[in-house]
Amino acid sequence: LAKTTQPISMDSYEGQEVNITCSHNNIATNDYITWYQQFPSQGPRFIIQGYKTKVTNEVASLFIPADRKSSTLSLPRVSLSDTAVYYCLVGGMNTGFQKLVFGTGTRLLVSP
Amino acid sequence: GAVVSQHPSRVICKSGTSVKIECRSLDFQATTMFWYRQFPKKSLMLMATSNEGSKATYEQGVEKDKFLINHASLTLSTLTVTSAHPEDSSFYICSATLYSGRAGTDTQYFGPGTRLTVL
Repeated sequence: LAKTTQPISMDSYEGQEVNITCSHNNIATNDYITWYQQFPSQGPRFIIQGYKTKVTNEVASLFIPADRKSSTLSLPRVSLSDTAVYYCLVGGMNTGFQKLVFGTGTRLLVSP
Repeated sequence: GAVVSQHPSRVICKSGTSVKIECRSLDFQATTMFWYRQFPKKSLMLMATSNEGSKATYEQGVEKDKFLINHASLTLSTLTVTSAHPEDSSFYICSATLYSGRAGTDTQYFGPGTRLTVL
């Protein structure tokens, strides 16, 4: 399973764009990249998932370079409620299921 | 998105008793579910993979006799913490994989977690 490396913490202010980068040098060909958000005492919430280039949904964008050894989660115009831990995971399909291993995550603090 | 529920949300029990935690995929079938535990301010640690109709696969260091997993149907997996002790107190989270039918787009959804406190 590919290991991921993220900054331990980041600080931002309301209204700013936040970019969290994740390194996954050993990503395999069939791995794809998924980001989750977790609030205290809650289960992780799916944010976005991608394989290459750029993926965008209503809450975030995910940028993946051609070599796929890293990815960047972009949160536009963060608010106080975006204060949470963000996890980057890589995993692929193997015999029909996806086994995910969580890294340390990035603790994002958004201030007024 | 798909919804995964857990019951109970929190439980307090005496040392030596057993506790069962249920994980359900509410609007989709899940051949595979996963169980994690999380300590305060730490990341999630994968405990085991629960496969419908077969034995669970445990991660290294996780006692299978301590943490019994049963995946009785395509929408239900249970984790039983047997003879619980204070060191088993933790936040237990399950997840289920929603298969999209297209390679590389299956997604894992997580339950809200169960807070176990063993006195």
